[in-house]
Amino acid sequence: TQLLEQSPQFLSIQEGENLTVYCNSSSVFSSLQWYRQEPGEGPVLLVTVVTGGEVKKLKRLTFQFGDARKDSSLHITAAQPGDTGLYLCAGERSSNTGKLIFGQGTTLQVKP
Amino acid sequence: NAGVTQTPKFQVLKTGQSMTLQCAQDMNHEYMSWYRQDPGMGLRLIHYSVGAGITDQGEVPNGYNVSRSTTEDFPLRLLSAAPSQTSVYFCASSYSMAVVHEQFFGPGTRLTVL
Repeated sequence: TQLLEQSPQFLSIQEGENLTVYCNSSSVFSSLQWYRQEPGEGPVLLVTVVTGGEVKKLKRLTFQFGDARKDSSLHITAAQPGDTGLYLCAGERSSNTGKLIFGQGTTLQVKP
Repeated sequence: NAGVTQTPKFQVLKTGQSMTLQCAQDMNHEYMSWYRQDPGMGLRLIHYSVGAGITDQGEVPNGYNVSRSTTEDFPLRLLSAAPSQTSVYFCASSYSMAVVHEQFFGPGTRLTVL
């Protein structure tokens, strides 16, 4: 059983569409991170959220941490082909452990 | 800074063979981790270390050994390779004094066990 459940697992959309990726758990996390991974490379951090209800924006990407710190979402506005990749959420159960639990990932394909 | 480096990039082993995956970082990070990535399962923690001489097991440690003799290096040893260990392996490091641990990942080692 995956402690962090991501949905959807696959998403194929046209350029210009909006999308939301969800990361859900029954457990509380001290922080949640979102990574993006391109084929043949390691994941790269996009954002970290640490406070319940926190919203962070990174250009066309909006990240939200749930009030109860059990879930998070990533919303992309006007997706572009360059957004194509694997999106991973990862959480730390206790702060300063350095141990991350990853979701299974969402593969996004944005077609021109 | 080279960041996190991993060697080799690709490796094919026969069942029962042993090998060591190398990982090094030049950012003076105390925390280092090994993950494996399999389709549809995200990344799963194998072993991690909070500093030289200190290691601990992660979620899927069986069949793997680690040691941490220096801050820079964190090799992962496969003692007797099995087909179930076919995967992509990522090493990562993070800064120990950070409140939130951003993981810096290496480029990965793609391992096939026949």
